[in-house]
Amino acid sequence: NAGVTQTPKFQVLKTGQSMTLQCAQDMNHNSMYWYRQDPGMGLRLIYYSASEGTTDKGEVPNGYNVSRLNKREFSLRLESAAPSQTSVYFCASSGTGTDEQYFGPGTRLTVT
Amino acid sequence: GEDVEQSLFLSVREGDSSVINCTYTDSSSTYLYWYKQEPGAGLQLLTYIFSNMDMKQDQRLTVLLNKKDKHLSLRIADTQTGDSAIYFCAEIRANQAGTALIFGKGTTLSVSS
Repeated sequence: NAGVTQTPKFQVLKTGQSMTLQCAQDMNHNSMYWYRQDPGMGLRLIYYSASEGTTDKGEVPNGYNVSRLNKREFSLRLESAAPSQTSVYFCASSGTGTDEQYFGPGTRLTVT
Repeated sequence: GEDVEQSLFLSVREGDSSVINCTYTDSSSTYLYWYKQEPGAGLQLLTYIFSNMDMKQDQRLTVLLNKKDKHLSLRIADTQTGDSAIYFCAEIRANQAGTALIFGKGTTLSVSS
C-alpha cells in the first residue's frame, strides 16, 4: 500500500515548455486534489476532483489543467510554464470531501 | 475575512509547552484539522476535532475549539526537538461543487535544546 505517489520528484522547465505532473493513489479514495505550496503562502488549492469523472477549480486554477483519468489517477498539466509557477506541488486524496486528506511527497518544480 | 489565519512563527525551548493558534472562517465546518509538515515532506494529519466538541486530548496534544470566536488552538506538551515542523490548521469549506479543505499559511515551530 503505497498511499499517494507523485512523479517526478523534481523538474526544471524553461518558460513556455509544457509538462504533466502525475499522481496516483491506491486507497480507493473518491476525492483527489492538487495544491501548490509557496513560502509564506501556505497551501493553495489548484483543482480538485470530488469523484471519478468530475473536476472543479480551486483557489488558483489559472495556467493549469487537470484530468481525472480514472479513480486512481489525477494529473496536473502546465501547458505553457511561467516562472510564477515555480513551486512545490502536492497531490492529496480522501475518501470523501470531509475525510482526512492523505498527501503525496510533492514535486518541486522550477521554471526558468 | 475569508482566510484561515495563523501566526507564522513560534519558538520554544525543549520541554516547554507550545500553543499554536488559528482563526477559521466557516461556522458550519463540521471538522477542523491540524496537519504537520516536516522539512522536505508532505503533510500528515496530526489530529482533528469535531465541531460539537470543545476539547480533544491525544497524548501530548490538546486541541481547543471556541466556536463562538471561530478560534482553534493546538497545545503540544513537553515539546521535543522532533516537533520542529510547520503546523497547518484547516477547515472544511463547502461550495457549489462540493467541499474542500482550506489551509492556513502554516506556523513554523522551532524547538531549541
